[in-house]
Amino acid sequence: EAQVTQNPRYLITVTGKKLTVTCSQNMNHEYMSWYRQDPGLGLRQIYYSMNVEVTDKGDVPEGYKVSRKEKRNFPLILESPSPNQTSLYFCASSFVYSPYNEQFFGPGTRLTVL
Amino acid sequence: SQKIEQNSEALNIQEGKTATLTCNYTNYSPAYLQWYRQDPGRGPVFLLLIRENEKEKRKERLKVTFDTTLKQSLFHITASQPADSATYLCAFMDTGRRALTFGSGTRLQVQP
Repeated sequence: EAQVTQNPRYLITVTGKKLTVTCSQNMNHEYMSWYRQDPGLGLRQIYYSMNVEVTDKGDVPEGYKVSRKEKRNFPLILESPSPNQTSLYFCASSFVYSPYNEQFFGPGTRLTVL
Repeated sequence: SQKIEQNSEALNIQEGKTATLTCNYTNYSPAYLQWYRQDPGRGPVFLLLIRENEKEKRKERLKVTFDTTLKQSLFHITASQPADSATYLCAFMDTGRRALTFGSGTRLQVQP
């Protein structure tokens, strides 16, 4: 089944404890991105990747890191999480970067930073 | 900066009626607009894409219009069903920023 998977789905952590949210897609997509979703603010892009080893900042990159060493994986790293990073996170992918390609979203990761 | 706005108030309609959701955008002229459905706690799911020269696009009970003069897209669900209850998001890809910009979504509630 074609899909985007994320792990973990739920995470409660404490301020400053490094964490990684994994994202994997099995559709051989080139373009991948991370979003956070907050009430009243909608979905905001954190980082995106056009292809392996090519990443760039989105609208809200502060406090996050990403890497794209393999085409299928695009982990999101929070080196020192803070409470303002409590949010619902989505990974997404599309065949290529294009305004007419649909985005496939993962199931989401609900992160709480205490 | 470019902005995309959707009515933040929930839309409540009776089963069988047509639901109409609005998406307005400013400071940008996208060539394509996308519509997604999102159920609570789940990732958005792509529904339709409309190009600027298409004016109208249909898929089963869904219809999307794109008015570049008004900078507006309308999303219609005809013969609505309780299963259509969800949040609907519009989005466009800003090719300069290489980012998909989303509206905050409109929650639709279809009453049986």
